[in-house]
This record gives sequence, C-alpha cells and structure tokens, in this order.
Amino acid sequence: AQKVTQAQTEISVVEKEDVTLDCVYETRDTTYYLFWYKQPPSGELVFLIRRNSFDEQNEISGRYSWNFQKSTSSFNFTITASQVVDSAVYFCALSPGNTGTASKLTFGTGTRLQVTL
Amino acid sequence: KAGVTQTPRYLIKTRGQQVTLSCSPISGHRSVSWYQQTPGQGLQFLFEYFSETQRNKGNFPGRFSGRQFSNSRSEMNVSTLELGDSALYLCASSLVGGPLYEQYFGPGTRLTVT
Repeated sequence: AQKVTQAQTEISVVEKEDVTLDCVYETRDTTYYLFWYKQPPSGELVFLIRRNSFDEQNEISGRYSWNFQKSTSSFNFTITASQVVDSAVYFCALSPGNTGTASKLTFGTGTRLQVTL
Repeated sequence: KAGVTQTPRYLIKTRGQQVTLSCSPISGHRSVSWYQQTPGQGLQFLFEYFSETQRNKGNFPGRFSGRQFSNSRSEMNVSTLELGDSALYLCASSLVGGPLYEQYFGPGTRLTVT
C-alpha cells in the first residue's frame, strides 16, 4: 500500500520569508513517481512537479525548489522569498511507476500555506 | 486550449437521492480520473476511465459508479446519497493516463447532501 504523510497542517509566514513543506512517503514499489500540486481557493489542483524514483537530483524552478531524498523517503518543497500569491493548500502525491497502470494518485493530507504582508 | 470542465459546479441533494456529475476532458485526452475531497479523508481516488473502460478503482462502495463515452466525456453517479458523500468531486484528464502524463484537474463539483 502507498502512503503519503504531510505532517504540517498549516504554516503561516510573512512575505519574503522562505518556507519548506515536508512530504514523507511509503511504498513497496521500486519504481514510483512523486508529485506536488497546488490548490488555490478556486479549488482546481495545479500540477507543480513530477519526479521519478530513479532521479534524485534536486530541481529548481524560479522561486520553487524540490529536494528528493530516497534514503529518508522524503520529497520536500521549498518556496524562496514567499509571496501572497503563494497562499494555497499544497499536496504531495505518489503514483505507482508502471506506465501501463492507471493514473492513481495517493495524496497526502495537504499543507495550508498562508503568506501575509 | 480549453481546460477540464465539470458540471454542475454546485449541487445540493437530499439523503437517499442519486446524483450524476459530468466531466469534459481536455480535447484529445482519453483518460479521465475522479477524486473525492473531504475535510476528513482528504483527496481519495475514485476511479479512472480510459477508452470507455474502467481501468482502476479506489476503495469506495458500489454506490459510486462511472462511465465514459466515446468522446471521452465522463460521468460519475452516486446512488442512495449519504451525508458523508458531501464533498468536492474533482475530475482530472490526461492524454493516456499513467504517471508519465500530467493530469489536469477541473474546478470540481461541490456536492452537499442534506
């Protein structure tokens, strides 16, 4: 069975602060994919990143960066110099890696990020 | 390119009734997945359809069903509604499904059961 844990329920930061959202996962699959999604108040989930289990390189995209550590089963997400527009609920998700399988995502419970001025 | 559309956006039903929700995927996408989002259980996978066939199913009772039409549009049906079915139902479309292809989510249908 697959499981994703996001221990931080809610985080509040002041604009321009850096913030890290934690994600710990469990799976018995050797091949799997990890994802981060953003859910703004409008409700629509927005894809941020996908990472496969064989690629442990960290990734940076603008103010966003991701740290994947297989040894600790973690896939953490850092927002540098946070902005009010970053306020949303962020979900970490896990998927089996077989390309022939369905698009079944297991989501964490989400972390609500509140960025204030 | 139009995104995933879901209708209706809001729905209020009474316990015991049934409901049908609709999802129109992005043009060209053949995989449609459904998720239920509640404050207590979070986001949970319901099922996925690909080429009119259910390809995978989550752990939900048989009251939850779905189908996909030849144009890839999908509907999900919940019969004998219970209070606990109140949730945001999200639909996601993907080119062919699977983890290599991004899932694009719609805005959801918020169902309230009274």
